[in-house]
Amino acid sequence: KQEVTQIPAALSVPEGENLVLNCSFTDSAIYNLQWFRQDPGKGLTSLLLIQSSQREQTSGRLNASLDKSSGRSTLYIAASQPGDSATYLCAVVSGNTGKLIFGQGTTLQVKP
Amino acid sequence: DAGVIQSPRHEVTEMGQEVTLRCKPISGHNSLFWYRQTMMRGLELLIYFNNNVPIDDSGMPEDRFSAKMPNASFSTLKIQPSEPRDSAVYFCASSRILAGGVPGNEQFFGPGTRLTVL
Repeated sequence: KQEVTQIPAALSVPEGENLVLNCSFTDSAIYNLQWFRQDPGKGLTSLLLIQSSQREQTSGRLNASLDKSSGRSTLYIAASQPGDSATYLCAVVSGNTGKLIFGQGTTLQVKP
Repeated sequence: DAGVIQSPRHEVTEMGQEVTLRCKPISGHNSLFWYRQTMMRGLELLIYFNNNVPIDDSGMPEDRFSAKMPNASFSTLKIQPSEPRDSAVYFCASSRILAGGVPGNEQFFGPGTRLTVL
């Protein structure tokens, strides 16, 4: 059974700092991995999608990496801003189902 | 594109009442997913459809829950009778399955329906 874990559960950093969020999964047989952002009381916004054949994806200040063999992904946020404060969720599609299995998320606070 | 549309955005009802949540997926997407989010359990998949056909409903908690997708542009999630423990945010998401039925594309989420059962 696929399990997704995110560490740390919460993170507080000063504005301008670069930071890394971690995601690990137990079954390396995944189709893709997706990072989402969720603001309080809101829905999920897709940030980056990494296919199983890829090693990283970049969008603006965000860079996500994938190491299937070790069951890990990282989300790197450069030059963090207060507007980056949100909960970041990692999810994988494993098996031939299309089902997303979510981690519990990392809640990020960027202080001005 | 308007994105995934869900209604209502908020629902407050009393225990025992029937609740119907609605979802309109992104046009052209052929997979639709219903998720539930709670503080205790996080995000859980309830059921998903490919080309309007239910593929996996193993996440549906009880027989009180049912979901339908009568056409490519509409789905409902019904709870009858509702109970206080059903209180949660229910999300609908859609994506496009690749050729050959391979799941590979991004899932796009709606804004969610916040359900409170008193």
